[in-house]
Amino acid sequence: GIQVEQSPPDLILQEGANSTLRCNFSDSVNNLQWFHQNPWGQLINLFYIPSGTKQNGRLSATTVATERYSLLYISSSQTTDSGVYFCAGYNQGGKLIFGQGTELSVKP
Amino acid sequence: KAGVTQTPRYLIKTRGQQVTLSCSPISGHRSVSWYQQTPGQGLQFLFEYFSETQRNKGNFPGRFSGRQFSNSRSEMNVSTLELGDSALYLCASSLVGGGSYEQYFGPGTRLTVT
Repeated sequence: GIQVEQSPPDLILQEGANSTLRCNFSDSVNNLQWFHQNPWGQLINLFYIPSGTKQNGRLSATTVATERYSLLYISSSQTTDSGVYFCAGYNQGGKLIFGQGTELSVKP
Repeated sequence: KAGVTQTPRYLIKTRGQQVTLSCSPISGHRSVSWYQQTPGQGLQFLFEYFSETQRNKGNFPGRFSGRQFSNSRSEMNVSTLELGDSALYLCASSLVGGGSYEQYFGPGTRLTVT
């Protein structure tokens, strides 16, 4: 079955709006990470969040490991937030398994 | 600290050729992992190296191989290239890997096979 599932697949926002991206992960996956892929393809680390809540500026993330989900919050979105957001978790073999991503487009 | 570096950044090859990609991890990181990203399959794990040994392997054919040197730098080789090997190849490093530590990614090598 699907080990890491992200929703929504696409999201269009007006600049200044807030958004929540969701990541569901199976029992065999742990130690979640969130990434932002920039237009040039590089994956930028946002959060390493096996559990709990972390905040970094306008971004925050919460992982509820017991319920197998993680949320990424983006507040007061800016056009530079556009791109693809990935969550990924480690399976029991130590491999990082990625979701299919959420493509975010922030319009001015 | 310098981040993960990958060379070359772009590459165009012909079917049947082979290619070698290089990755230098963050200083002090001993684990290097490789991933392939394509529009159809997304991001897929290729393999992980730690202390010059392959510790994990994904579901890719034997044409995909790699190695790690004593300074933790890693190379990935693809032999007998196929059109379907066109992809963004990303490498990542972490302190010791094995699923317990955050991974940091390089800028990627974009390979086009014609």
